[in-house]
Amino acid sequence: GEDVEQSLFLSVREGDSSVINCTYTDSSSTYLYWYKQEPGAGLQLLTYIFSNMDMKQDQRLTVLLNKKDKHLSLRIADTQTGDSAIYFCAEILGGSSNTGKLIFGQGTTLQVKP
Amino acid sequence: DAGVTQSPTHLIKTRGQQVTLRCSPKSGHDTVSWYQQALGQGPQFIFQYYEEEERQRGNFPDRFSGHQFPNYSSELNVNALLLGDSALYLCASSYTGVTTGELFFGEGSRLTVL
Repeated sequence: GEDVEQSLFLSVREGDSSVINCTYTDSSSTYLYWYKQEPGAGLQLLTYIFSNMDMKQDQRLTVLLNKKDKHLSLRIADTQTGDSAIYFCAEILGGSSNTGKLIFGQGTTLQVKP
Repeated sequence: DAGVTQSPTHLIKTRGQQVTLRCSPKSGHDTVSWYQQALGQGPQFIFQYYEEEERQRGNFPDRFSGHQFPNYSSELNVNALLLGDSALYLCASSYTGVTTGELFFGEGSRLTVL
């Protein structure tokens, strides 16, 4: 199938680390993505990882990829109240990275408490 | 540099009516994809346009149609509206020459069908 699975909700305290998990379906996906959506807004690309990588770090963001288990995670270090949003995991399906369609998970709502 | 722009931002229609949503891609981008995001869900792929042709299509009925113009802008048309068509419609643009598949999203058009 085309299901990308995410847990629905995560609550953390300001300053803690947040870890958002995702499982995807297509082992041939070349790239996997994390998008952020704030209330009433469109999606903002946070980061992506190429399928031949295990880890990618970008400032406070760390992406881990386990291809064997088709598991992707996003770690946000020193989480701030401005990080409160919905986070979507997505994979490319049905084509190359520039012609395929993105399949999104249902999103994880991150709540950051002061 | 303007990002992806969509219009209108909000609209209300009644069942059976028809709607047209518009999208201008980010400067330099040649590919436009449309997604439907129902409340509390992740975006679902509708279709993708490149060189004025529909290149890929998701699991949406023929009531959903689109068009891409020579300046790369695009329209999404939905005929015979149903209550279930109420959603946020997101346009995303990309450049075929970029192999990482990054999509840039607009803020969306929120359609309410009464």
